[in-house]
Amino acid sequence: KAGVTQTPRYLIKTRGQQVTLSCSPISGHRSVSWYQQTPGQGLQFLFEYFSETQRNKGNFPGRFSGRQFSNSRSEMNVSTLELGDSALYLCASSLETGEAEAFFGQGTRLTVV
Amino acid sequence: DQQVKQNSPSLSVQEGRISILNCDYTNSMFDYFLWYKKYPAEGPTFLISISSIKDKNEDGRFTVFLNKSAKHLSLHIVPSQPGDSAVYFCAASPWEAGNMLTFGGGTRLMVKP
Repeated sequence: KAGVTQTPRYLIKTRGQQVTLSCSPISGHRSVSWYQQTPGQGLQFLFEYFSETQRNKGNFPGRFSGRQFSNSRSEMNVSTLELGDSALYLCASSLETGEAEAFFGQGTRLTVV
Repeated sequence: DQQVKQNSPSLSVQEGRISILNCDYTNSMFDYFLWYKKYPAEGPTFLISISSIKDKNEDGRFTVFLNKSAKHLSLHIVPSQPGDSAVYFCAASPWEAGNMLTFGGGTRLMVKP
Protein backbone atom coordinates (compact mmCIF):
# COMPACT_ATOMS: atom_id res chain seq x y z
CA LYS A 1 0.00 0.00 0.00
CA ALA A 2 1.53 3.29 -1.10
CA GLY A 3 2.30 5.86 1.57
CA VAL A 4 1.70 9.58 1.56
CA THR A 5 3.25 11.20 -1.50
CA GLN A 6 4.32 14.82 -1.57
CA THR A 7 5.49 16.69 -4.62
CA PRO A 8 7.82 18.28 -5.31
CA ARG A 9 10.48 17.18 -2.81
CA TYR A 10 12.52 20.33 -3.17
CA LEU A 11 11.63 23.81 -4.32
CA ILE A 12 13.45 27.13 -4.54
CA LYS A 13 11.39 30.27 -4.92
CA THR A 14 12.02 34.01 -4.82
CA ARG A 15 10.51 36.39 -2.28
CA GLY A 16 7.12 37.65 -3.43
CA GLN A 17 6.35 34.60 -5.56
CA GLN A 18 3.67 32.09 -4.76
CA VAL A 19 3.98 28.32 -4.50
CA THR A 20 1.68 25.30 -4.60
CA LEU A 21 2.56 22.03 -2.91
CA SER A 22 0.75 18.77 -3.52
CA CYS A 23 -0.11 15.81 -1.30
CA SER A 24 -1.63 12.45 -2.20
CA PRO A 25 -2.84 10.63 0.92
CA ILE A 26 -2.83 6.92 1.56
CA SER A 27 -5.60 5.24 -0.41
CA GLY A 28 -8.84 5.32 1.55
CA HIS A 29 -7.71 8.08 3.91
CA ARG A 30 -10.05 11.04 3.97
CA SER A 31 -8.24 13.45 6.29
CA VAL A 32 -5.21 15.44 5.17
CA SER A 33 -3.28 17.77 7.46
CA TRP A 34 -0.40 20.09 6.72
CA TYR A 35 2.48 21.03 9.02
CA GLN A 36 5.45 23.37 8.79
CA GLN A 37 8.77 22.41 10.35
CA THR A 38 11.44 25.02 11.01
CA PRO A 39 14.49 24.90 13.29
CA GLY A 40 13.15 27.73 15.42
CA GLN A 41 9.46 26.84 15.75
CA GLY A 42 9.52 23.06 15.36
CA LEU A 43 6.54 21.25 13.88
CA GLN A 44 3.49 23.50 13.64
CA PHE A 45 -0.01 22.66 12.45
CA LEU A 46 -1.19 24.60 9.41
CA PHE A 47 -4.62 23.16 8.57
CA GLU A 48 -6.65 19.98 8.18
CA TYR A 49 -9.02 19.02 5.41
CA PHE A 50 -11.64 16.32 5.67
CA SER A 51 -14.11 15.48 2.93
CA GLU A 52 -13.08 18.59 0.99
CA THR A 53 -13.80 20.90 3.95
CA GLN A 54 -11.28 22.71 6.09
CA ARG A 55 -11.82 21.34 9.57
CA ASN A 56 -9.13 23.13 11.52
CA LYS A 57 -6.70 25.95 10.94
CA GLY A 58 -3.52 26.77 12.80
CA ASN A 59 -2.14 30.16 13.66
CA PHE A 60 -0.74 31.15 10.28
CA PRO A 61 -1.43 34.23 8.14
CA GLY A 62 -3.95 34.19 5.34
CA ARG A 63 -1.12 33.83 2.80
CA PHE A 64 -1.24 30.13 3.65
CA SER A 65 -4.22 28.36 2.15
CA GLY A 66 -5.20 24.91 1.05
CA ARG A 67 -7.85 22.78 -0.51
CA GLN A 68 -8.84 19.17 -0.85
CA PHE A 69 -10.26 17.46 -3.90
CA SER A 70 -12.93 14.80 -4.15
CA ASN A 71 -10.25 12.08 -4.39
CA SER A 72 -8.81 13.35 -1.05
CA ARG A 73 -5.68 14.75 -2.70
CA SER A 74 -4.74 18.08 -1.21
CA GLU A 75 -2.80 21.15 -2.19
CA MET A 76 -1.47 23.99 -0.10
CA ASN A 77 -0.62 27.39 -1.46
CA VAL A 78 1.59 30.11 -0.05
CA SER A 79 1.31 33.52 -1.66
CA THR A 80 3.72 36.45 -1.46
CA LEU A 81 6.53 34.31 -0.16
CA GLU A 82 8.77 35.62 2.61
CA LEU A 83 12.24 34.43 3.62
CA GLY A 84 10.75 33.08 6.83
CA ASP A 85 8.55 30.69 4.87
CA SER A 86 11.61 28.56 4.15
CA ALA A 87 10.79 25.26 5.85
CA LEU A 88 10.00 21.61 5.46
CA TYR A 89 6.28 21.30 4.70
CA LEU A 90 4.80 18.01 5.75
CA CYS A 91 1.52 16.46 4.81
CA ALA A 92 -0.15 13.78 6.95
CA SER A 93 -3.10 11.58 6.12
CA SER A 94 -5.51 9.79 8.42
CA LEU A 95 -8.35 7.40 7.83
CA GLU A 96 -10.80 9.61 9.65
CA THR A 97 -10.71 12.86 11.53
CA GLY A 98 -10.24 12.80 15.29
CA GLU A 99 -8.19 10.30 17.32
CA ALA A 100 -6.68 8.81 14.20
CA GLU A 101 -3.03 8.02 13.68
CA ALA A 102 -1.57 10.46 11.18
CA PHE A 103 0.90 9.11 8.64
CA PHE A 104 3.35 11.60 7.19
CA GLY A 105 4.87 12.05 3.77
CA GLN A 106 8.53 12.83 3.24
CA GLY A 107 7.84 16.53 2.95
CA THR A 108 8.62 19.32 0.55
CA ARG A 109 11.68 21.39 1.36
CA LEU A 110 10.90 24.98 0.36
CA THR A 111 13.70 27.51 0.19
CA VAL A 112 12.81 31.16 -0.33
CA VAL A 113 15.67 33.36 -1.58
CA ASP B 1 3.33 29.21 25.01
CA GLN B 2 4.54 25.65 24.55
CA GLN B 3 1.63 23.34 25.26
CA VAL B 4 3.70 20.20 24.71
CA LYS B 5 7.23 20.06 26.06
CA GLN B 6 10.03 17.58 25.76
CA ASN B 7 12.53 18.87 28.27
CA SER B 8 15.42 16.62 27.27
CA PRO B 9 16.86 17.65 23.90
CA SER B 10 19.00 14.53 23.78
CA LEU B 11 19.40 11.12 25.38
CA SER B 12 22.20 8.58 25.06
CA VAL B 13 21.60 4.92 25.90
CA GLN B 14 23.59 1.71 25.58
CA GLU B 15 22.30 -0.94 23.21
CA GLY B 16 20.08 -3.45 25.00
CA ARG B 17 19.15 -1.08 27.80
CA ILE B 18 15.90 0.79 28.26
CA SER B 19 15.30 4.20 26.67
CA ILE B 20 12.80 6.45 28.43
CA LEU B 21 11.63 9.57 26.63
CA ASN B 22 9.46 12.03 28.49
CA CYS B 23 6.83 14.55 27.50
CA ASP B 24 4.76 17.04 29.49
CA TYR B 25 1.67 18.93 28.40
CA THR B 26 -0.29 21.83 29.82
CA ASN B 27 -3.57 21.78 27.90
CA SER B 28 -6.12 19.72 29.84
CA MET B 29 -8.21 19.43 26.67
CA PHE B 30 -5.63 17.10 25.13
CA ASP B 31 -6.88 13.56 25.23
CA TYR B 32 -5.09 11.72 22.45
CA PHE B 33 -1.33 11.35 22.38
CA LEU B 34 1.09 10.01 19.83
CA TRP B 35 4.81 9.35 19.49
CA TYR B 36 6.68 9.77 16.24
CA LYS B 37 10.22 8.96 15.18
CA LYS B 38 11.97 11.16 12.66
CA TYR B 39 15.12 10.92 10.59
CA PRO B 40 16.63 14.02 8.95
CA ALA B 41 14.95 15.15 5.73
CA GLU B 42 12.13 12.63 6.18
CA GLY B 43 8.62 12.88 7.50
CA PRO B 44 7.84 11.61 11.01
CA THR B 45 7.03 7.91 11.31
CA PHE B 46 4.13 6.98 13.58
CA LEU B 47 5.18 4.71 16.47
CA ILE B 48 2.43 4.38 19.03
CA SER B 49 -0.56 6.25 20.42
CA ILE B 50 -2.65 6.34 23.55
CA SER B 51 -6.08 7.66 24.37
CA SER B 52 -6.78 9.38 27.67
CA ILE B 53 -9.06 6.54 28.76
CA LYS B 54 -5.97 4.35 29.09
CA ASP B 55 -2.79 4.71 31.11
CA LYS B 56 -0.64 2.29 29.14
CA ASN B 57 -0.34 0.99 25.61
CA GLU B 58 2.19 -1.53 24.31
CA ASP B 59 3.37 -2.41 20.84
CA GLY B 60 6.35 -4.70 20.67
CA ARG B 61 9.39 -2.98 22.14
CA PHE B 62 7.48 0.29 22.57
CA THR B 63 5.29 1.16 25.54
CA VAL B 64 3.65 4.50 26.19
CA PHE B 65 2.54 5.49 29.68
CA LEU B 66 0.09 8.30 30.39
CA ASN B 67 -0.30 10.03 33.76
CA LYS B 68 -3.22 12.40 33.28
CA SER B 69 -3.07 13.92 36.75
CA ALA B 70 0.55 14.91 36.17
CA LYS B 71 -0.06 15.75 32.51
CA HIS B 72 2.91 13.56 31.66
CA LEU B 73 3.56 10.80 29.18
CA SER B 74 6.59 8.69 28.50
CA LEU B 75 7.79 6.32 25.83
CA HIS B 76 9.78 3.27 26.87
CA ILE B 77 11.86 1.37 24.34
CA VAL B 78 13.08 -2.03 25.51
CA PRO B 79 15.57 -3.25 24.46
CA SER B 80 17.08 -0.25 22.69
CA GLN B 81 18.76 -0.92 19.35
CA PRO B 82 21.18 1.24 17.32
CA GLY B 83 18.49 1.57 14.63
CA ASP B 84 16.33 3.39 17.17
CA SER B 85 18.69 6.37 16.98
CA ALA B 86 16.55 9.26 15.72
CA VAL B 87 14.61 12.28 16.94
CA TYR B 88 11.44 11.37 18.82
CA PHE B 89 8.46 13.70 18.96
CA CYS B 90 5.44 13.46 21.18
CA ALA B 91 2.21 15.00 19.91
CA ALA B 92 -1.20 15.68 21.42
CA SER B 93 -4.67 16.41 20.13
CA PRO B 94 -7.83 17.65 21.85
CA TRP B 95 -11.06 15.66 21.69
CA GLU B 96 -13.13 16.37 18.60
CA ALA B 97 -10.52 18.75 17.24
CA GLY B 98 -9.86 16.58 14.28
CA ASN B 99 -6.29 15.77 13.55
CA MET B 100 -4.80 19.01 14.84
CA LEU B 101 -1.61 17.76 16.45
CA THR B 102 0.53 19.89 18.74
CA PHE B 103 4.10 18.65 18.78
CA GLY B 104 6.84 18.82 21.37
CA GLY B 105 10.28 20.03 20.41
CA GLY B 106 11.73 16.54 20.07
CA THR B 107 14.37 14.45 21.84
CA ARG B 108 17.35 13.09 19.96
CA LEU B 109 17.98 9.51 21.02
CA MET B 110 21.41 7.97 20.44
CA VAL B 111 21.74 4.24 21.06
CA LYS B 112 25.36 3.19 21.31
CA PRO B 113 26.44 -0.30 20.23
